[in-house]
Amino acid sequence: DTAVSQTPKYLVTQMGNDKSIKCEQNLGHDTMYWYKQDSKKFLKIMFSYNNKELIINETVPNRFSPKSPDKAHLNLHINSLELGDSAVYFCASSQETSGNTYEQYFGPGTRLTVT
Amino acid sequence: GEDVEQSLFLSVREGDSSVINCTYTDSSSTYLYWYKQEPGAGLQLLTYIFSNMDMKQDQRLTVLLNKKDKHLSLRIADTQTGDSAIYFCAEKYGGSQGNLIFGKGTKLSVKP
Repeated sequence: DTAVSQTPKYLVTQMGNDKSIKCEQNLGHDTMYWYKQDSKKFLKIMFSYNNKELIINETVPNRFSPKSPDKAHLNLHINSLELGDSAVYFCASSQETSGNTYEQYFGPGTRLTVT
Repeated sequence: GEDVEQSLFLSVREGDSSVINCTYTDSSSTYLYWYKQEPGAGLQLLTYIFSNMDMKQDQRLTVLLNKKDKHLSLRIADTQTGDSAIYFCAEKYGGSQGNLIFGKGTKLSVKP
C-alpha cells in the first residue's frame, strides 16, 4: 500500500525532448510537492500545489509545469529537456491544515538522465 | 532568507552514538524534522519536534532543540551499519501554508 508513488522510476531521454513524471498519493493529503535533488544530494523545492492552486513556485524555468488533475495527483511536465535537468525528482505530500504536524511523505523518486 | 545548515559528513564506529547537528534561521518555525535517505531511495521521515519542546525521544533516537540558539540535533544511540544514510534536517516556516526548508544533508558512515 504505497502512500506516495511515482512513475517512472528511471527516465532516460535526449536533449530537446518533452517528458512527464507522474505522482499519486493515497493519503488524502491536500498539498503535493515536487523536489529536485542534484548530484550532490541537495534537495530543492520546485512546486507545491494546494487544492489545485499553485502556492509556491521557486525560481524554476517555465519549461517545467506541474499539472494536477485531482487532489491525489500532481504530474510534472518538462519541455525541451536540457542536460542540466538530469537529477532525481521527488514527489511529496502533506496535510496543511491547522492541528496537523505537517510532515511531508516522499515518493521513491524518479531518476531523470538527459543525454 | 530562511536557511538550514548541516555539516556534510559524519563517520562513527558501530555501537557508538552519532550526533548530527543542524542550525536554522527562522525563529517562527513551528516544527522541525529529521529525514533519512538511504542510497537509491526516497526520504523517510524519522521524527519531528514541535518548537515548544526541548527534547523528544523515540527508541534509539533523541532530538534536542535549543530554540534560543536555533540549534537542532539528532542523536542515534548504538549506531548500526544500517543507519548509514544521509540525514536531512528540515524546518517548517510560514505557518500552515508554509514550506519545508531542507538542509543539505549529513552523510553518516558507520564503520564496523
